[in-house]
Amino acid sequence: DAGVTQSPTHLIKTRGQQVTLRCSPKSGHDTVSWYQQALGQGPQFIFQYYEEEERQRGNFPDRFSGHQFPNYSSELNVNALLLGDSALYLCASSPIAGGLPGETQYFGPGTRLLVL
Amino acid sequence: SQKIEQNSEALNIQEGKTATLTCNYTNYSPAYLQWYRQDPGRGPVFLLLIRENEKEKRKERLKVTFDTTLKQSLFHITASQPADSATYLCALVTDSWGKLQFGAGTQVVVTP
Repeated sequence: DAGVTQSPTHLIKTRGQQVTLRCSPKSGHDTVSWYQQALGQGPQFIFQYYEEEERQRGNFPDRFSGHQFPNYSSELNVNALLLGDSALYLCASSPIAGGLPGETQYFGPGTRLLVL
Repeated sequence: SQKIEQNSEALNIQEGKTATLTCNYTNYSPAYLQWYRQDPGRGPVFLLLIRENEKEKRKERLKVTFDTTLKQSLFHITASQPADSATYLCALVTDSWGKLQFGAGTQVVVTP
């Protein structure tokens, strides 16, 4: 059973460019959340997708957008990249179980984005 | 403002001893609290979850306590091993959708 997978593993972009990161959730999971982790910090919640809709969003600008597909996989798009967007981007998936979808979250290995 | 604080200094500990990590929070009313392990360049790995009505949870050599009055959780690794060396993150869940609010993490280094 594959866990959460993310692609690419590493990415280098320049300021002003756009980037798309991809995530496939663990089998049986239908909720996907995205987090940004700067060096030496804890992950910061970007947004969460369920049933192809953005269900809730953290304190991130509109440059950060996402999408969830019918097979539950998800994309994170970042437009007009800034140097400060350099970070590890993590995807986490969770099942809907017992009315508490967030109880068990499984993280992928992350995509390391470097903006020059 | 809302804060989640973990020891910022690395915890250096000798193999076989107990490592104790602290997670303090302010201005949150978490439904539950989770602890994760993160190795360099990898995603966090879930370790333990403790609910607001639970005082203590154990899993093998790990123990978590949760004091909602003190707004504090303690995470213990007993009989520590070099393989336990990693960064440990605490995360609060304050809503029904499971959005995680993380602390910055504490690095643990276990020396033989």
